[in-house]
Amino acid sequence: NAGVMQNPRHLVRRRGQEARLRCSPMKGHSHVYWYRQLPEEGLKFMVYLQKENIIDESGMPKERFSAEFPKEGPSILRIQQVVRGDSAAYFCATARDRYQETQYFGPGTRLLVL
Amino acid sequence: QQQVKQSPQSLIVQKGGISIINCAYENTAFDYFPWYQQFPGKGPALLIAIRPDVSEKKEGRFTISFNKSAKQFSLHIMDSQPGDSATYFCAAPSGTYKYIFGTGTRLKVLA
Repeated sequence: NAGVMQNPRHLVRRRGQEARLRCSPMKGHSHVYWYRQLPEEGLKFMVYLQKENIIDESGMPKERFSAEFPKEGPSILRIQQVVRGDSAAYFCATARDRYQETQYFGPGTRLLVL
Repeated sequence: QQQVKQSPQSLIVQKGGISIINCAYENTAFDYFPWYQQFPGKGPALLIAIRPDVSEKKEGRFTISFNKSAKQFSLHIMDSQPGDSATYFCAAPSGTYKYIFGTGTRLKVLA
């Protein structure tokens, strides 16, 4: 019974490159939340998606960041033209439905921008 | 926008002591308040959660106390152990599906 999976676990990019972070929900979960954690800080909500729909992207930076959760396959958080300030740990959390109060977190992707 | 204030930022406790972490929130649309535990290099894991129709919930050495009128809740770790050394986050609901997390408390339990 696999938990939430994220890959890659570590990602190094140079400034200007693209970063693609993947999140595979737990079995039976169709709701995905992405959070960003800066060093020594808490988790900041970025975006909430259901299959093929973005429900709430109020925490996403207006430029360079996008997210999707296609009908098939993992949810993807995409960061274009990365800058050093994008260096952080990115976590996804999943839930069975919008009324399931507990969100289950993946192990995170640690992005380092050189 | 909901804000959650968590304190202290860091905490050092002797083995066997009591660790207390406090959180305060502003507003909530539904009543479910989780605490997460995060070890270095890992994702947060649900530790314990409470619905404020009760003022306290206990699971083993972990207890949540809730004061709905004051909009405050706290985590107590009894008989703290070195294995409890981690970062703890409280969370309060914001809207019907989203949580706002506290800034975290880094707990170190000395052997």
